[in-house]
Amino acid sequence: ETGVTQTPRHLVMGMTNKKSLKCEQHLGHNAMYWYKQSAKKPLELMFVYNFKEQTENNSVPSRFSPECPNSSHLFLHLHTLQPEDSALYLCASSPRDGQPQHFGDGTRLSIL
Amino acid sequence: SQQGEEDPQALSIQEGENATMNCSYKTSINNLQWYRQNSGRGLVHLILIRSNEREKHSGRLRVTLDTSKKSSSLLITASRAADTASYFCATDAFRETSGSRLTFGEGTQLTVNP
Repeated sequence: ETGVTQTPRHLVMGMTNKKSLKCEQHLGHNAMYWYKQSAKKPLELMFVYNFKEQTENNSVPSRFSPECPNSSHLFLHLHTLQPEDSALYLCASSPRDGQPQHFGDGTRLSIL
Repeated sequence: SQQGEEDPQALSIQEGENATMNCSYKTSINNLQWYRQNSGRGLVHLILIRSNEREKHSGRLRVTLDTSKKSSSLLITASRAADTASYFCATDAFRETSGSRLTFGEGTQLTVNP
């Protein structure tokens, strides 16, 4: 148990659907991250939030929209995704940016 | 290209043997971290070594860092079947515009056979 919880664990959606991924941590961390992990590719950083403020958008398409309503919760809103967006989406948190990160177990996303 | 690159991509050993994985990177770093990922799970932080450190131990793990060669190695001694996982190095390179940022390599898949 890492202290970072992601829901749902699995999600299958059509290209026209709208869904949201949720991440929750009660570790008192101030930095939260979204990563995309595809087969045979390195972990890709998508977004970073520090003290609820977005400090990094790593050239992510606008069909991915993050939201951080408070320091414990992070969402990733999905809309009109493409088949190549199928991947494992991992959330992580750390006391502050640059320190060791605690990861959730991810949401396995499949786009039909 | 990626900051961290692991070598080998895959490693298969017998229980009780030692496993060594290497990581190379390209730019100056603040620290280098190693993570483990079991199949279907998230990454778990193993160990952090700062740029002014050369070697660090944690249980059966030994990490070395050579900043002149921009490389690091992770040694797992007396391996167990439960060590079977993917291992990633991640470099923390300071950036003026955005502060620290971790960059992960592609990982080494370690299989420990009973």
